[in-house]
Amino acid sequence: DSGVTQTPKHLITATGQRVTLRCSPRSGDLSVYWYQQSLDQGLQFLIHYYNGEERAKGNILERFSAQQFPDLHSELNLSSLELGDSALYFCASSVGDRGLYGYTFGSGTRLTVV
Amino acid sequence: SQQGEEDPQALSIQEGENATMNCSYKTSINNLQWYRQNSGRGLVHLILIRSNEREKHSGRLRVTLDTSKKSSSLLITASRAADTASYFCATSGGRGSTLGRLYFGRGTQLTVWP
Repeated sequence: DSGVTQTPKHLITATGQRVTLRCSPRSGDLSVYWYQQSLDQGLQFLIHYYNGEERAKGNILERFSAQQFPDLHSELNLSSLELGDSALYFCASSVGDRGLYGYTFGSGTRLTVV
Repeated sequence: SQQGEEDPQALSIQEGENATMNCSYKTSINNLQWYRQNSGRGLVHLILIRSNEREKHSGRLRVTLDTSKKSSSLLITASRAADTASYFCATSGGRGSTLGRLYFGRGTQLTVWP
């Protein structure tokens, strides 16, 4: 157990639907990062939150949104799902906002859009 | 792009042999990290090396960093079948980078045969 908890582990849903992925960071970590891993794109950075504030956006589609709550857990919302959104979605956490001491990754949520 | 590139894409060796994976990147960095991923599972942080360091060891792992050549190598000594996994290098920081995010390569798939 890495200390970063992601739920659910697996999700199968139909095109056009909306899902919410949840991440609880490791205790004491203020930053949460979301990454998408697909066969064709590899590991892509989506978004970074630090202590409730959005710090950086990467290749995140407009159909996707995220937030970090006061208790520091984060949710990634994916809407109007397409087949191409099928991927592993990882959450990572770090102590500060620069990852100077490394990152801890969760075990991921595998999303399958059918 | 700051994204790292691993070489080789795939490596197949016998138990007991050493495995060497290389990573190249294009811009300056603050640190470089290596991660391991068992098939379809979460990313496990292996080792972090800062830009002012040249070599680090952790158990059977040895990482080197050559900032003049913008390259790093990961050596796994006396490999075991349980080392079979994908190995990713990821860079952080540096000119033009997004603060806090990791830039991943496409990974090296290591297979260790018993």
